[in-house]
Amino acid sequence: DAGVTQSPTHLIKTRGQQVTLRCSPKSGHDTVSWYQQALGQGPQFIFQYYEEEERQRGNFPDRFSGHQFPNYSSELNVNALLLGDSALYLCASSSIGGNTGELFFGEGSRLTVL
Amino acid sequence: AQSVTQLGSHVSVSEGALVLLRCNYSSSVPPYLFWYVQYPNQGLQLLLKYTTGATLVKGINGFEAEFKKSETSFHLTKPSAHMSDAAEYFCAVSDRGIQKLVFGTGTRLLVSP
Repeated sequence: DAGVTQSPTHLIKTRGQQVTLRCSPKSGHDTVSWYQQALGQGPQFIFQYYEEEERQRGNFPDRFSGHQFPNYSSELNVNALLLGDSALYLCASSSIGGNTGELFFGEGSRLTVL
Repeated sequence: AQSVTQLGSHVSVSEGALVLLRCNYSSSVPPYLFWYVQYPNQGLQLLLKYTTGATLVKGINGFEAEFKKSETSFHLTKPSAHMSDAAEYFCAVSDRGIQKLVFGTGTRLLVSP
């Protein structure tokens, strides 16, 4: 049973560029959440997708956008990259019908903005 | 708004010693509480969770935590540290049914021989 998979694992961009990160949820899960983890910090909630709709959103600017596909996989897009966007981006999956609130995390995509 | 405070950004113990990582939370409703572990260059792995019922929760790798509502705490303990326990530990809280985690800033556990 494959867990949460993310790609790419590492990438380097320059300021002003755009980036797309991808996530496949754990088998049987229908909800995908994205978190940003800056160096030395705890993960911060970006947004959550369910039924191809953004269900919740954290305190992130509109430069951060996402998408969920019919197969439940998801993309995170960041436009007009800033140096401060350098971080580990974590994808987490869950089942909307689950009643424990537990999230399963991927290993992350480490973005470096130069 | 929910928040989590983890006291001590770094905790150092000797191998075989007691591990105690502190977590206090703020929530307006009874929350779900979690401890996750993160090894270098990896994602987060769930150690244990409290949702309802017994307030002493046992997790993987010999860790346990106790939910104390009166103290709004959910401290993580392990009787005897092992070198392999060296990692970053995150406490997190969520409202019931929301599936959105609010994390603390983490505690790095260092284990010396």
